[in-house]
Amino acid sequence: SQQGEEDPQALSIQEGENATMNCSYKTSINNLQWYRQNSGRGLVHLILIRSNEREKHSGRLRVTLDTSKKSSSLLITASRAADTASYFCATGTRSNDYKLSFGAGTTVTVRA
Amino acid sequence: EAEVAQSPRYKITEKSQAVAFWCDPISGHATLYWYRQILGQGPELLVQFQDESVVDDSQLPKDRFSAERLKGVDSTLKIQPAELGDSAMYLCASSLGLWLAGGSEQFFGPGTRLTVL
Repeated sequence: SQQGEEDPQALSIQEGENATMNCSYKTSINNLQWYRQNSGRGLVHLILIRSNEREKHSGRLRVTLDTSKKSSSLLITASRAADTASYFCATGTRSNDYKLSFGAGTTVTVRA
Repeated sequence: EAEVAQSPRYKITEKSQAVAFWCDPISGHATLYWYRQILGQGPELLVQFQDESVVDDSQLPKDRFSAERLKGVDSTLKIQPAELGDSAMYLCASSLGLWLAGGSEQFFGPGTRLTVL
């Protein structure tokens, strides 16, 4: 069963625009991670945010976490064609913070 | 840069046949994971190893799936017999050991795409 749920399922934007996707989850977490997957390939880790953190940045990526609403958002600024991929959130719980539950993902298409 | 290796990359088999996938994690990573990803969905954890011990295999269909990591390094996932519903991408990942509190990023291999006919 998948704990995280991303919204929207798909997103199409113009190069240079910002892309925002959201993740909601059901049970209390220890950490939340975002991964990117290019078509037919393995996943690449983007950011890990722990339950006591509210915001993290990495390059053009910004992740927020609101544990009271059980939700997280991933913002990609100044998107590029190379950002075209599927983005997944994954949560680790307190009982096993290494066992990740993935959502179904958001498919992002960046148009040149 | 160190990577997780998986083989084969693609496998086509007929139902009721046996298949096996191999994974070599990043050197020094004590934790190894096998995931199954059905098209259009996120990965689902099948089994998690810490060194050679199974930490979690609650989602592994044990009647037909088996996994081992005999020397705590590389790992093999086997399906016998394969069924049509097993068609999916099988991903292996590794991370530093479970002693790091608060979780850790996982490094994924390229996956094995299995098609069962």
